[in-house]
Amino acid sequence: DTAVSQTPKYLVTQMGNDKSIKCEQNLGHDTMYWYKQDSKKFLKIMFSYNNKELIINETVPNRFSPKSPDKAHLNLHINSLELGDSAVYFCASSQFSPLAGSSYNEQFFGPGTRLTVL
Amino acid sequence: DAKTTQPNSMESNEEEPVHLPCNHSTISGTDYIHWYRQLPSQGPEYVIHGLTSNVNNRMASLAIAEDRKSSTLILHRATLRDAAVYYCILRDSDMRFGAGTRLTVKP
Repeated sequence: DTAVSQTPKYLVTQMGNDKSIKCEQNLGHDTMYWYKQDSKKFLKIMFSYNNKELIINETVPNRFSPKSPDKAHLNLHINSLELGDSAVYFCASSQFSPLAGSSYNEQFFGPGTRLTVL
Repeated sequence: DAKTTQPNSMESNEEEPVHLPCNHSTISGTDYIHWYRQLPSQGPEYVIHGLTSNVNNRMASLAIAEDRKSSTLILHRATLRDAAVYYCILRDSDMRFGAGTRLTVKP
């Protein structure tokens, strides 16, 4: 069983298009994340959702809109794709701890979606 | 945000122990020290974490300095499958990855 899954694994598209990446976790976690890993391999957090509510929104263009239909899913929709959006996008999940906040619990990452914008 | 400093790369021989250092001189009292690794073409995976005391699990050991300004991830017997980028991360809330240490394991 895959704990955190993402679809598609690869996504090649033209500039200006709109695309979505889906993420699902079957771990029963209540917090989900999106990270971006650029060509220099730096991994940066983009969004964090706890119980379907946005709790972290880093400096990400408005073209990126996360959507969480339920606790097990956090999809990433990207409008008007640009060349600079080319990267590997990772979804992750964890369980929020009321005592230790999110400092304690490990995050489980998906396999990544490699987005190439031409 | 408290930051970490790690060597860019390290090499090890297979079946030998590996000590991966991390400096975090500006760590605060509530920061947990987490280690993740990223194998080629995969997402990061959790390795170990600690607050003040040394920690052991099936994957590795974490040695934390008494003043908490540095820590060392110890792989007791490196295998070829341990070749990865290892990230030392201080967490008080969200995770912020640095450049990590690329570990090469030689047969």
